[in-house]
Amino acid sequence: DIQMTQSPSTLSASVGDRVTITCRASQSVSTWLAWYQQKPGKVPKLLIYKGSSLESGVSSRFSGSGFGTEFTLTISSLQADDFATYYCQQYNSYAWTFGQGTKVEVK
Amino acid sequence: VQLVQSGAEVKKPGSSVKVSCKASGDTSSRYAVSWVRQAPGQGLEWMGVIISIFGLTYYAQKFQDRVTITADESTRTAYMELSSLRSEDTAVYYCARGEYAYDSYGYHASLDHWGQGTLVTVSS
Repeated sequence: DIQMTQSPSTLSASVGDRVTITCRASQSVSTWLAWYQQKPGKVPKLLIYKGSSLESGVSSRFSGSGFGTEFTLTISSLQADDFATYYCQQYNSYAWTFGQGTKVEVK
Repeated sequence: VQLVQSGAEVKKPGSSVKVSCKASGDTSSRYAVSWVRQAPGQGLEWMGVIISIFGLTYYAQKFQDRVTITADESTRTAYMELSSLRSEDTAVYYCARGEYAYDSYGYHASLDHWGQGTLVTVSS
């Protein structure tokens, strides 16, 4: 199975900060990469699909980029509602996999 | 699209559990249903997917021998059965659905819509 590695595992930031999370795949996944946000006790929510496409209803302060083995999720100006854990997920191969998650916490 | 899962389960080690996931709100047949689990305090773990219209299933290597995903198109319900349960299988199990694309590398579907989750507790 393709391994997905996110960095950092934890990120401390303040409201208004620009935040970038990186996701690396052990082999190419083309653009078949999604990003999800999960808050404690809640169901994960799709933010970005196909590497850079913004899911309907998701704020434009979220953006995704990348191709192949390296991807990034950027939050242009962190808001109070954005403190959460973020996961990347590849859906290229016949066995899809998640990254281990990045927790964005208050600095 | 709404996905409604069956209720919480408490199981003994060595037994099996079957969780259901019923979809409503759309008529599309071009979708894939994945099952994802999350152990307490841990991350998301993809278990497998079914391309319902074709009955095709793909499983994570870790669960290959213990998980079976099925679907009943007539009731728009997907099922995940996990056997030989152990304490480490205690987790919230989610179904998630997305419209699929297909190319030479196979099927691709992000997880657009999620069920509410089903807590499965394995304890003697």
